[in-house]
Amino acid sequence: GQQLNQSPQSMFIQEGEDVSMNCTSSSIFNTWLWYKQDPGEGPVLLIALYKAGELTSNGRLTAQFGITRKDSFLNISASIPSDVGIYFCAGRATGTASKLTFGTGTRLQVTL
Amino acid sequence: DAMVIQNPRYQVTQFGKPVTLSCSQTLNHNVMYWYQQKSSQAPKLLFHYYDKDFNNEADTPDNFQSRRPNTSFCFLDIRSPGLGDAAMYLCATSRAGASYEQYFGPGTRLTVT
Repeated sequence: GQQLNQSPQSMFIQEGEDVSMNCTSSSIFNTWLWYKQDPGEGPVLLIALYKAGELTSNGRLTAQFGITRKDSFLNISASIPSDVGIYFCAGRATGTASKLTFGTGTRLQVTL
Repeated sequence: DAMVIQNPRYQVTQFGKPVTLSCSQTLNHNVMYWYQQKSSQAPKLLFHYYDKDFNNEADTPDNFQSRRPNTSFCFLDIRSPGLGDAAMYLCATSRAGASYEQYFGPGTRLTVT
């Protein structure tokens, strides 16, 4: 089945720094979603991407759908303490109906 | 606000004692999902309903069952919980079609004693 490799696994950054993380797939995906999960809560959808090459922003967050359709990137600019959490990418491959494949997650910690 | 609601947020059950987790949604989405999540791992899909059609994942244990009596509600039944079933259980919904965005509830943390 499809696998999503997400990197880095974890990162410590200082407040105000920019953050980048990415997901790569062994298969072609036609949808990429990025979620943030706080401790003890469900994942919250941040950005959805539907076209190869698409670049979409949501406030300080920017995500891109890779042109090979096998990867996606999430950038957070000027990080703040509330950015702390686990970020998951999720993708949908052709022929998998409504099912998503999730990445392994990137744990982000922001220090003052 | 339209949302996905899970009750209870925390559930404690005894080893082998059946337990039911609930999910409701006001989004009027026709697809509902149940995921199991352990220790900050990625959510693992157990099954999903496309309208009334039930779709079980091949590796979901028989111990896990689900019911969807109507569009708004979906239940997860664990017939004989084991210690290994302690986890966060997440309900999600989506609208079938070109947009596959899934919206998650806050989750139910299950403890098995």
